[in-house]
Amino acid sequence: EAGVAQSPRYKIIEKRQSVAFWCNPISGHATLYWYQQILGQGPKLLIQFQNNGVVDDSQLPKDRFSAERLKGVDSTLKIQPAKLEDSAVYLCASSPSGMETGELFFGEGSRLTVL
Amino acid sequence: QKEVEQDPGPLSVPEGAIVSLNCTYSNSAFQYFMWYRQYSRKGPELLMYTYSSGNKEDGRFTAQVDKSSKYISLFIRDSQPSDSATYLCAMTTGGGKLIFGQGTELSVKP
Repeated sequence: EAGVAQSPRYKIIEKRQSVAFWCNPISGHATLYWYQQILGQGPKLLIQFQNNGVVDDSQLPKDRFSAERLKGVDSTLKIQPAKLEDSAVYLCASSPSGMETGELFFGEGSRLTVL
Repeated sequence: QKEVEQDPGPLSVPEGAIVSLNCTYSNSAFQYFMWYRQYSRKGPELLMYTYSSGNKEDGRFTAQVDKSSKYISLFIRDSQPSDSATYLCAMTTGGGKLIFGQGTELSVKP
């Protein structure tokens, strides 16, 4: 079974530029998450989708971050304009529908450096 | 005060040692408790999951949850160099939104 795919793995941009990350979850997984992991910290949830609907985006900085999950499969996370403090690893995770126990499957992450 | 507190370490032990990793939390509504392992430059992978209080054992790993004390632990017996990683505790009230600890960096020396 293929895992969660993310791209790009690494991205370096200047502040105020924009960036987009892509995620393809495990086939059949209805729930998709984007987490932000700053160096030395645990991951923090940015947004949770159930199919193509948003379940929780309470911690998403909506003035600069946006995310979408078209057709309930792939997802894109965009940052515009980027700030220095957005330097982090952006982790995509998925889980089967109805899995409320926290058993998430994570991708390898997209590492963003903002200069 | 953070919802989940975890000592970041780093923790260095000799091969074969017993490792104890711990987290405390403040939200009594948490029901599901997990330990994730994260190797360098990789995503977290689920290691152990426990519902409510009690113990769970899987090979060399034992997870304990004490809801009365709001305290969870992970024990690793006969630690191996391949266990060197960052260990993240995580918990949820349900619905999939996880609250993670800071992570403890573990190094097992041959």
